[in-house]
Amino acid sequence: GNSVTQMEGPVTLSEEAFLTINCTYTATGYPSLFWYVQYPGEGLQLLLKATKADDKGSNKGFEATYRKETTSFHLEKGSVQVSDSAVYFCALSDGGYQKVTFGTGTKLQVIP
Amino acid sequence: DVKVTQSSRYLVKRTGEKVFLECVQDMDHENMFWYRQDPGLGLRLIYFSYDVKMKEKGDIPEGYSVSREKKERFSLILESASTNQTSMYLCASRPLTGNQPQHFGDGTRLSIL
Repeated sequence: GNSVTQMEGPVTLSEEAFLTINCTYTATGYPSLFWYVQYPGEGLQLLLKATKADDKGSNKGFEATYRKETTSFHLEKGSVQVSDSAVYFCALSDGGYQKVTFGTGTKLQVIP
Repeated sequence: DVKVTQSSRYLVKRTGEKVFLECVQDMDHENMFWYRQDPGLGLRLIYFSYDVKMKEKGDIPEGYSVSREKKERFSLILESASTNQTSMYLCASRPLTGNQPQHFGDGTRLSIL
């Protein structure tokens, strides 16, 4: 079956530091890949997505590239802000009839 | 704008009660999902539905049931609530066609006393 593995958190960074959250996946087909963000007390919001190999998703300064050869979709941001403190989830989907598979989430805390 | 609305943000119930959690989406999505979220365990899928009156078990369906009488509404039912069902419950929807992302509600934090 499909699976998603994320780096364990929490991750604590100083403001303006570089962020990488690792995500690797196992899937039988050609899935779409997603990063979601969950701010305290809220549901998940889509942060970015990529639908095929070598696609780069980007939003709000965050980026992730779909690497089929390494089955990875690492999330990066060049300069984090305090407002980026949240839990980040990597996820994949094989198609509309299929359930979405989530990683366990990585909590990011950015300190001033 | 896309909207998934869960009926309650916070809910407190007693052991043995029958509990209903309601979710409504306004995007005409075919697929709807119920998850629970617990610290250290991430999101776990309870049930999902890809059409009216259709339902599929997820990874942890025991102790839960669901109802989908209308396309826009997906209800999660705790038949006889127990303390180990204290959790954050998240509803989501997505279209059936294409490989689109899910849209989530804000969650219901349920406490069973």
